[in-house]
Amino acid sequence: KQEVTQIPAALSVPEGENLVLNCSFTDSAIYNLQWFRQDHGKGLTSLLLIQSSQREQTSGRLNASLDKSSGRSTLYIAASQPGDSATYLCAVRFSGSARQLTFGSGTQLTVLP
Amino acid sequence: NAGVMQNPRHLVRRRGQEARLRCSPMKGHSHVYWYRQLPEEGLKFMVYLQKENIIDESGMPKERFSAEFPKEGPSILRIQQVVRGDSAAYFCASSAGTGGVSDTQYFGPGTRLTVL
Repeated sequence: KQEVTQIPAALSVPEGENLVLNCSFTDSAIYNLQWFRQDHGKGLTSLLLIQSSQREQTSGRLNASLDKSSGRSTLYIAASQPGDSATYLCAVRFSGSARQLTFGSGTQLTVLP
Repeated sequence: NAGVMQNPRHLVRRRGQEARLRCSPMKGHSHVYWYRQLPEEGLKFMVYLQKENIIDESGMPKERFSAEFPKEGPSILRIQQVVRGDSAAYFCASSAGTGGVSDTQYFGPGTRLTVL
């Protein structure tokens, strides 16, 4: 079964810290992986998309890495700010699926001022 | 370029009524996806459509649920004879779907359905 897991479920850090969010997936045959943030009660905002042929993608203070062979991705957030507080979701498009995304359950991040 | 639009944002129905959820994809996007987020659960794929075609409905409940994406107009997710267990946030996403970064799915704000 193709599954996506995110650990920890919740994380609290003081402002200014660098932090890493983890995502693992059960099948290394993936097409791409996408990271989102979801603010409470709101929709999803796309942060980064990594193709299966790529090792990392960067956008501002965010850096996402992909290691297909070990079934892992990480989202690195540099110099965290209170505005980064949200739930971060990892979603995988597995090869053979018709473009659907399989989501992890998310990591709820709180950045304390 | 407006993002993915969904309406209504909130919908209240009584058991047995019908719910119609609408989604207008981003301009230039021809691929539409519906996902459901049940309370305290993650997002689950329901259905993937292109104009006038259902490509994958493997996540859609077999009964009472249907989806369409007509040649003109928004995509519609229809739930007949709603039950309390249908209460959830329903999200629509769209993509250009031409490969590479164009596969990025952009999500709408969601429709929060409450069944009384």
